[in-house]
Amino acid sequence: GDSVTQMEGPVTLSEEAFLTINCTYTATGYPSLFWYVQYPGEGLQLLLKATKADDKGSNKGFEATYRKETTSFHLEKGSVQVSDSAVYFCALLNQAGTALIFGKGTTLSVSS
Amino acid sequence: GAVVSQHPSRVICKSGTSVKIECRSLDFQATTMFWYRQFPKQSLMLMATSNEGSKATYEQGVEKDKFLINHASLTLSTLTVTSAHPEDSSFYICSARVQGGFGNTGELFFGEGSRLTVL
Repeated sequence: GDSVTQMEGPVTLSEEAFLTINCTYTATGYPSLFWYVQYPGEGLQLLLKATKADDKGSNKGFEATYRKETTSFHLEKGSVQVSDSAVYFCALLNQAGTALIFGKGTTLSVSS
Repeated sequence: GAVVSQHPSRVICKSGTSVKIECRSLDFQATTMFWYRQFPKQSLMLMATSNEGSKATYEQGVEKDKFLINHASLTLSTLTVTSAHPEDSSFYICSARVQGGFGNTGELFFGEGSRLTVL
């Protein structure tokens, strides 16, 4: 079945460091891909998305490119801030379009 | 953007009691809502898909008699954990899909989550 694998955390960085959180997927066809973020004490929020191969989603300085050949959707940010500390979830939309399949989440902790 | 609200945000109950969690779409109608469960340090697990006016569709391994879902209106779905036990303690999150279809936009709107602790 469809699945998402993302790197284990926690990821601990200093402010202004470069961030990469790896995400790979297994799915039928070409699913839409997403990154969601969960800040402490809050619900999930959509961070960015890509709906087809080679699309690049971007928001708040974060980027991820849909790579069909490597079935990946890695999240990157050039310079993280303390306020980026959160749990990040990679997800794909199943082929039926009825539900999102999530990875396990990666906790990011940024210190000043 | 669209807002989904869950209530209560936190609940503590005794073993054997039943707990109801509400999920409301505040500014849009949602024909479909989803219920997820999140274990510590693990991902969200889809429990069931709640369809307005019909029975919920449960994922494999989820006990439908244990987790009762009712989607009585286009703005409200409820999850009732019946005869709760400590192993049911978890973070439950609902999401709603804007009426008109998911299409390829993939934008589900999530509630804040409800933390259930069963003593």
